[in-house]
Amino acid sequence: SAVISQKPSRDICQRGTSLTIQCQVDSQVTMMFWYRQQPGQSLTLIATANQGSEATYESGFVIDKFPISRPNLTFSTLTVSNLSPEDSSIYLCSAAGPIETQYFGPGTRLLVL
Amino acid sequence: AQSVTQLGSHVSVSEGALVLLRCNYSSSVPPYLFWYVQYPNQGLQLLLKYTSAATLVKGINGFEAEFKKSETSFHLTKPSAHMSDAAEYFCAVTTKGAGGTSYGKLTFGQGTILTVHP
Repeated sequence: SAVISQKPSRDICQRGTSLTIQCQVDSQVTMMFWYRQQPGQSLTLIATANQGSEATYESGFVIDKFPISRPNLTFSTLTVSNLSPEDSSIYLCSAAGPIETQYFGPGTRLLVL
Repeated sequence: AQSVTQLGSHVSVSEGALVLLRCNYSSSVPPYLFWYVQYPNQGLQLLLKYTSAATLVKGINGFEAEFKKSETSFHLTKPSAHMSDAAEYFCAVTTKGAGGTSYGKLTFGQGTILTVHP
């Protein structure tokens, strides 16, 4: 299974600013995913990040708010822009393994004041 | 379309008792099913998965789950609960992607918080 790390593990940000989250995988993977977990909620897919192409966003999520980069097969970043308190959540990245299995990072806990 | 329903947002058991966490799915095509565990302040860890092989799947930490197509269920069990099992458990469903850059979209249930009493 893939080992995934995320930076930062947590952050407190002021509204109106942006936070960039980094996700590193210990092996090359074709697909990476970004999820949001709002307080007390389940996981919601934000977008799928493919190397060499633009990310594919789910309904309700837009590139201007959640720009994603995927410069190579082991790394991706998610930026949460123009932060508001409603963006306070856990953001998790995952990597695609065999047979549609996804392996998750430890998450980034964001609090927006 | 696919969906997952986890029955019971909170389950409480005594240490040493049977753990049963319920998951029912809906899928128009043969599904792949997963159980993940999330310990406090951590990410998701894969417990076990069903990918169309044996219907009784054994995972880590003594957990197992049985795929029952007729009941559209994939309940998670553990014969004897341990204090360290206290966590939130998520059931998830996906289907086989078309290949290449097409990958099955993972849909999660709402989660079940397991509390273990001494």
